[in-house]
Amino acid sequence: GAGVSQSPSNKVTEKGKDVELRCDPISGHTALYWYRQSLGQGLEFLIYFQGNSAPDKSGLPSDRFSAERTGGSVSTLTIQRTQQEDSAVYLCASSLNSAHYEQYFGPGTRLTVT
Amino acid sequence: AQTVTQSQPEMSVQEAETVTLSCTYDTSESDYYLFWYKQPPSRQMILVIRQEAYKQQNATENRFSVNFQKAAKSFSLKISDSQLGDAAMYFCAYSEMYSGGGADGLTFGKGTHLIIQP
Repeated sequence: GAGVSQSPSNKVTEKGKDVELRCDPISGHTALYWYRQSLGQGLEFLIYFQGNSAPDKSGLPSDRFSAERTGGSVSTLTIQRTQQEDSAVYLCASSLNSAHYEQYFGPGTRLTVT
Repeated sequence: AQTVTQSQPEMSVQEAETVTLSCTYDTSESDYYLFWYKQPPSRQMILVIRQEAYKQQNATENRFSVNFQKAAKSFSLKISDSQLGDAAMYFCAYSEMYSGGGADGLTFGKGTHLIIQP
């Protein structure tokens, strides 16, 4: 079956613009995760969804970041008023459910803020 | 908070030889999971091997095996008969067990860049 897909693959945006990153998890996977991978910070966990609910949003780097998931499937990560420090690869992963430890990753979106 | 440390930013090995990547971690939990992920230039994170902390037996997946030392909080990855396709970044990762294995996400090390010399 299809794996986790993310779009766009690459995104270049100007500082101050808003961007939306999309994640389509494996069909039937109820848990979904967002991570950020940057040279300086390595891999950081951002947020987790079980179904449409995100119990803890404290991992989001700032209030410019938000995430939602609708229909228990597709998730979008939105970054408002992008800054250069937001440049990174944003990875999405899904797992069968929140009790299942094996996470399957998508190919990521490389975001470049100029 | 849990931390994962990979002390080798880069490792190089001749094709067909064996290489060991190191990982140490810090946690106060007694039950947890440990993983090794591979990330080739395509950016896709691929699960290589996993270990449940309650299992004493070291996990093995074909040419990949781990040396899990729970008391020392050490979790090294051994790659036997290295192949050119093994070249990638390798990340060690930790996950709590009772939070659902993922409710807090995975905690990753900084990674080791593995180079395979032909």
